[in-house]
Amino acid sequence: GAGVSQSPSNKVTEKGKDVELRCDPISGHTALYWYRQSLGQGLEFLIYFQGNSAPDKSGLPSDRFSAERTGGSVSTLTIQRTQQEDSAVYLCASSQAGAGNTIYFGEGSWLTVV
Amino acid sequence: AQSVTQPDIHITVSEGASLELRCNYSYGATPYLFWYVQSPGQGLQLLLKYFSGDTLVQGIKGFEAEFKRSQSSFNLRKPSVHWSDAAEYFCAVGTGTASKLTFGTGTRLQVTL
Repeated sequence: GAGVSQSPSNKVTEKGKDVELRCDPISGHTALYWYRQSLGQGLEFLIYFQGNSAPDKSGLPSDRFSAERTGGSVSTLTIQRTQQEDSAVYLCASSQAGAGNTIYFGEGSWLTVV
Repeated sequence: AQSVTQPDIHITVSEGASLELRCNYSYGATPYLFWYVQSPGQGLQLLLKYFSGDTLVQGIKGFEAEFKRSQSSFNLRKPSVHWSDAAEYFCAVGTGTASKLTFGTGTRLQVTL
């Protein structure tokens, strides 16, 4: 597609349930990122994939969060046993390899944990 | 570790007035600097970026930003604001060989008619 595609756009889940958020990056982009945007806060880096290298997971807030990227393209962010503090917009982004390249963002998946 | 400060949480300007949004960064070497805009319910759109060279960078929608190393700043400017510029603006710094960005907390711009 022309841009970064994310699904679902909105998700309401009960506390304790698991959720999966999907990201389809721009074709040809080898780098993929997940960020979290909480109400009243900036964007928080979660995880970064670059090609076949081991992902940079330094931003994941707890072991309830995990992400994978299959075939170097689509990525899934999984949150297990969701908590209310997980409510946020989860933004996926992609870019070409290399420092300083423009990072293109999707419109995000708005997660509400009730 | 790098950090970004956007000291103004909320700014209101009249349509047609000039605008300057402040951004200060902390990083030991030359950073890559970015400004993104986020309209309500939308993703982030890149306005402009600085890698090297000319410290005055032109972007889309009539925005520009100036990198000032001595002040560790990368302020965003627009000479005449339009009502459609109302949005949230994020400054970000990218460093090293990785492309991941560190964002400021954003400045919400309100434009009055």
